[in-house]
Amino acid sequence: KQEVTQIPAALSVPEGENLVLNCSFTDSAIYNLQWFRQDPGKGLTSLLLIQSSQREQTSGRLNASLDKSSGRSTLYIAASQPGDSATYLCAVLPASGYSTLTFGKGTMLLVSP
Amino acid sequence: SQTIHQWPATLVQPVGSPLSLECTVEGTSNPNLYWYRQAAGRGLQLLFYSVGIGQISSEVPQNLSASRPQDRQFILSSKKLLLSDSGFYLCAWSGQGNNEQFFGPGTRLTVL
Repeated sequence: KQEVTQIPAALSVPEGENLVLNCSFTDSAIYNLQWFRQDPGKGLTSLLLIQSSQREQTSGRLNASLDKSSGRSTLYIAASQPGDSATYLCAVLPASGYSTLTFGKGTMLLVSP
Repeated sequence: SQTIHQWPATLVQPVGSPLSLECTVEGTSNPNLYWYRQAAGRGLQLLFYSVGIGQISSEVPQNLSASRPQDRQFILSSKKLLLSDSGFYLCAWSGQGNNEQFFGPGTRLTVL
């Protein structure tokens, strides 16, 4: 059974710092990995999707990497801003079987001005 | 562009009452549809998913059920709510291509 772990569970940084969020998964047979952002009381917003054949994806100040063989992904946020404060979730889709995501419990990020 | 709607946004119901949550998707056809629950302090739990009209798969046996009466409509129901049904319910859809999932705004359900 696939398990997804996100470390740290919470992170507090001053504005302007570069930061890295970590995601690990136990079964490397994945189809893709997706990073989401969730604001309090809101739904999930898809940030980046990395296919299993890719090593990284970039969108603005966000960069996500994938090392499938070691079961790891990182989300790099450059020059953090208070508006980046949210919970960040990673999720993996299995390479076969159902098209259902397995989620980590998230990293709660607080960027202070 | 595609959009996903959920209603109601919030709901407070007594134990033992029925439930109906609705999710609709616009701007796409034949989507895969999903119901998740997010309870306090826990991760997202997949409840049901559907690959087509009338096709429902359940991931977790419980007193909830799902139906898909139309291509872009997904309904979550219960005949009798339990206290443990409280949570944040999220609907999501994905296309037939890269399977990227997109989520709705969610429904906050409180069972008293």
